[in-house]
This record gives sequence, C-alpha cells and structure tokens, in this order.
Amino acid sequence: QQPVQSPQAVILREGEDAVINCSSSKALYSVHWYRQKHGEAPVFLMILLKGGEQKGHDKISASFNEKKQQSSLYLTASQLSYSGTYFCGTELKGSARQLTFGSGTQLTVLP
Amino acid sequence: GAVVSQHPSWVICKSGTSVKIECRSLDFQATTMFWYRQFPKQSLMLMATSNEGSKATYEQGVEKDKFLINHASLTLSTLTVTSAHPEDSSFYICSASGGGQLYEQYFGPGTRLTVT
Repeated sequence: QQPVQSPQAVILREGEDAVINCSSSKALYSVHWYRQKHGEAPVFLMILLKGGEQKGHDKISASFNEKKQQSSLYLTASQLSYSGTYFCGTELKGSARQLTFGSGTQLTVLP
Repeated sequence: GAVVSQHPSWVICKSGTSVKIECRSLDFQATTMFWYRQFPKQSLMLMATSNEGSKATYEQGVEKDKFLINHASLTLSTLTVTSAHPEDSSFYICSASGGGQLYEQYFGPGTRLTVT
C-alpha cells in the first residue's frame, strides 16, 4: 500500500525551511528518501532503519518514528539546488527490500 | 561510487516490435535489481524484482510474458518489452542494490520509451 506524503507541493524562498512527511498504515522496516529532478533518475538521500532514528547530512535530515509508522524529511536553509520532487520509499517488514514509493512532494525553491 | 547506467536513454519504436533496455551497475555488484515504471508527474511503480540467477518476481498486474526480465550477472539486468503498444510508452527506471544491512537502491538514469 502506497505511503501518504504531505504536502503535495511546497514553494519557498532560499534560506527557508521545509518539512515533508511520509506515513504508512503498515509496520515499516525502513524508510528511504530520494530526490528527483525533472527528466532525471531519483537520487538517494538517506535510509532510516531503526525506530526513532535520525539521520542527516549538510542541511537535510530525517527522522523515523517506528511506532507511528511515520518519517519526516527536514530541509533547513534551503538552496536553489534543493528544488525537485521528493519521494519516500517504504519497506515493509518481511518484504525483502522492495520499496513502495509515495506520490511525491514537489519542492520549488525561489531566489 | 554506486553508479548505475541504463541504455538506451530513449527509444522510439513501432507498435508490435520489441525493445530491450539494459541496466548495469558500474562499480558494485548488484545482488538485486528492480524495474520501475513512471508516468509523467507520478510516482515510481515497481514492476518486478530480480535477483541474479533467479527468475524475476513480478508485481500484481504486470504481465511477465510482456515484460521479460533477465538478470544474467551481478552487474547486468535487461528488460524486454515485447510486442509493444502505445500504452507501453513510459519512463522505465531500474535500480540496483548491492546487499548488506542497509541495501539502499541506486537508480539508473531511466529510459524514455515511445511506441508509435
């Protein structure tokens, strides 16, 4: 079952922050985050494996609440290069690495 | 590291012909490869999962006789769209996973298929 992402789209100016949420109705083993620019392949951002785990690099970080089956992606002090569509991919327990992707969040960063 | 290539990047073919798309992991061994289909402004839909040397596992609703998948080595998987029809026109993306605990997927650049 496809995870639910919110918001569907967000527009912000350089330097502003954004949060993208991903929630599932089923028990999750891991959550993967990707960014895709128009006409290109998705680029891997990070995996969150354990409940409560938080990861990040540079100004992009994420959290995973295993009990709530939710993950959030945090983009701080956004840059123009952050523009794109963000997808979360959820791996269910026992699903052998298969990911089900959310519908995506289109992020536009304006100068 | 973790580079995945796809060939061709785009292809136009006539209805009724077959098209083969290659997916290669260039700098790692991919124990598992995944094939996705993506329509404009939509999400990635998993078509099938293939493990090297095994038959591919197809998702519900994906015709295995129409979308032939071969994973002959740890660096190469192919998807053949047989007897293509205009409704098969789409963006096909492969991803490769090298295994290990985290086994993240690395995506190829995709292949744009247009069937006329």
